[in-house]
Amino acid sequence: DAKTTQPPSMDCAEGRAANLPCNHSTISGNEYVYWYRQIHSQGPQYIIHGLKNNETNEMASLIITEDRKSSTLILPHATLRDTAVYYCIVRVLTDSWGKLQFGAGTQVVVTP
Amino acid sequence: DTGVSQDPRHKITKRGQNVTFRCDPISEHNRLYWYRQTLGQGPEFLTYFQNEAQLEKSRLLSDRFSAERPKGSFSTLEIQRTEQGDSAMYLCASSLMGSTGELFFGEGSRLTVL
Repeated sequence: DAKTTQPPSMDCAEGRAANLPCNHSTISGNEYVYWYRQIHSQGPQYIIHGLKNNETNEMASLIITEDRKSSTLILPHATLRDTAVYYCIVRVLTDSWGKLQFGAGTQVVVTP
Repeated sequence: DTGVSQDPRHKITKRGQNVTFRCDPISEHNRLYWYRQTLGQGPEFLTYFQNEAQLEKSRLLSDRFSAERPKGSFSTLEIQRTEQGDSAMYLCASSLMGSTGELFFGEGSRLTVL
């Protein structure tokens, strides 16, 4: 699976959009981009995933560049409850897709 | 609550003791995963089941670790002769075979080996 690179930390003001970058320059054509987050002392929570088109759900938007070498997770109106570690993962949707390779992620702190 | 549940949430044990963790997945989910997470790191895959069959084990799963899912419902993860290096959060997740990307994680079982 392709490796991802994320900034170790970022701050965001409450109510503002949080834009979380992820580089995956070695991604192959059949690899999906997944985002999970982990609030302190809880298990990871799925946010969104996509292949090449931009995706949006009730939690966030995922913007994937045309060459698919990077992506951005957008939390449109960050709240204090969005403070968490955010993981960007690249994975082929094979039968064992649930074997995810988490990196260190980005620690996002939302401040009042 | 119909999410993934894990028990116990916290376990403190002495080195050399055996410990067992239990995971109850979401009821209709036929896939179940175990991950381990140490402080400051992301979760690491340990093993997964499809129904009662254990389909893959990570090299992280030493001989002292054994996981079972006897009836394809709940699963147990046993660690024998615990070592201080086993101190970690053990996470369970489940999914439906054929789903396209969402793993549902439990809250985890935190193990401290003294």
